[in-house]
Amino acid sequence: NAGVTQTPKFQVLKTGQSMTLQCAQDMNHEYMSWYRQDPGMGLRLIHYSVGAGITDQGEVPNGYNVSRSTTEDFPLRLLSAAPSQTSVYFCASGSGFSGNTIYFGEGSWLTVV
Amino acid sequence: GQQVMQIPQYQHVQEGEDFTTYCNSSTTLSNIQWYKQRPGGHPVFLIQLVKSGEVKKQKRLTFQFGEAKKNSSLHITATQTTDVGTYFCAGRNNNDMRFGAGTRLTVKP
Repeated sequence: NAGVTQTPKFQVLKTGQSMTLQCAQDMNHEYMSWYRQDPGMGLRLIHYSVGAGITDQGEVPNGYNVSRSTTEDFPLRLLSAAPSQTSVYFCASGSGFSGNTIYFGEGSWLTVV
Repeated sequence: GQQVMQIPQYQHVQEGEDFTTYCNSSTTLSNIQWYKQRPGGHPVFLIQLVKSGEVKKQKRLTFQFGEAKKNSSLHITATQTTDVGTYFCAGRNNNDMRFGAGTRLTVKP
């Protein structure tokens, strides 16, 4: 059972480039989300989805797009990378949205130069 | 919007000492979750509290949810070196889940 799989694990981007962070889960979870983690800031919610075809903004959505065409996949797109987007990104999934256990992927370390 | 404050930011203890981290929300929460993140790792779910005044225990860890459902605490009795990491609370209010900034625990053998 793979759980939550994120790719790539490490990425360096130039300012202005675009890229997609991939996230897939094999637990048939309705809920998926993306967080960024910066030193001393904890985890901040970027976007989340409560089911295929449904997405919503979190705390820090600017500069990011998401889509949820299938239950399994929830990619995060950086439209035009900026140095302020240098961070560690975590994808997470959970069954339902009533507060059940959230499972995190191993993280994607992104550096924008 | 909802804010979740967590203190202290850092805690360094001698092995065998107790440790407590506190979490406070600006709004009433529907539930609160606690996570542990080892250095270089990803957050791992520890527990969820739902009821007002709820107390749950996991071996040396005791979790409490306040009567007003706006605060919570995690207490570790007799810390061990394996307890090292950052402990996060995450408060949920409807569809909004916010994490505290975390308390980083270091344990000196």
